[in-house]
Amino acid sequence: DAGVTQSPTHLIKTRGQHVTLRCSPISGHKSVSWYQQVLGQGPQFIFQYYEKEERGRGNFPDRFSARQFPNYSSELNVNALLLGDSALYLCASSLDSWSQETQYFGPGTRLLVL
Amino acid sequence: DAKTTQPNSMESNEEEPVHLPCNHSTISGTDYIHWYRQLPSQGPEYVIHGLTSNVNNRMASLAIAEDRKSSTLILHRATLRDAAVYYCIPGGGPDRGSTLGRLYFGRGTQLTVWP
Repeated sequence: DAGVTQSPTHLIKTRGQHVTLRCSPISGHKSVSWYQQVLGQGPQFIFQYYEKEERGRGNFPDRFSARQFPNYSSELNVNALLLGDSALYLCASSLDSWSQETQYFGPGTRLLVL
Repeated sequence: DAKTTQPNSMESNEEEPVHLPCNHSTISGTDYIHWYRQLPSQGPEYVIHGLTSNVNNRMASLAIAEDRKSSTLILHRATLRDAAVYYCIPGGGPDRGSTLGRLYFGRGTQLTVWP
């Protein structure tokens, strides 16, 4: 079975631009979460979506937004990019929205903002 | 969120057991204890989780202290493929509705395995 897939794998943007990152969950998984991982730190929670509704948001500015589609895939959008947005963006899917459910992570999208 | 304390790094020789400790003294009575690991250039992967009793699976064992303020992840025979950052993540019990479905990672423990 295919795991969580993310696209693109790498991306280079300049300050002020907009970026859209995509995630396809494991088939049958209805919950998708997004995380940001800055070099040398653990992943930080950004958003959780379940059944196309936002279930939670981490401590990130409004420049970050996301949505989940009827097929449960998801997009993460970041506007007005800053140098500090350079990071590995990880998507994770799980069957349901309970945290004791195992989360399965994709390989991430590495974003570099110049 | 329950705060965790893990050693920054640990080392082991191949085929030796490894005990990775984690202190989570502020854990809620209903929080689970999750362990994930992140291999180089990959996303995190689930290792094991538990609530009160010790747990075993094909990857590892989880020993949980009786007061639940600490836990230890045990790799019975380390291999080179076990070299990774290991994260201990308490959370997600039913009385913490705001953390359902989310994982709050710390810095984790970098495990180095020597051949």
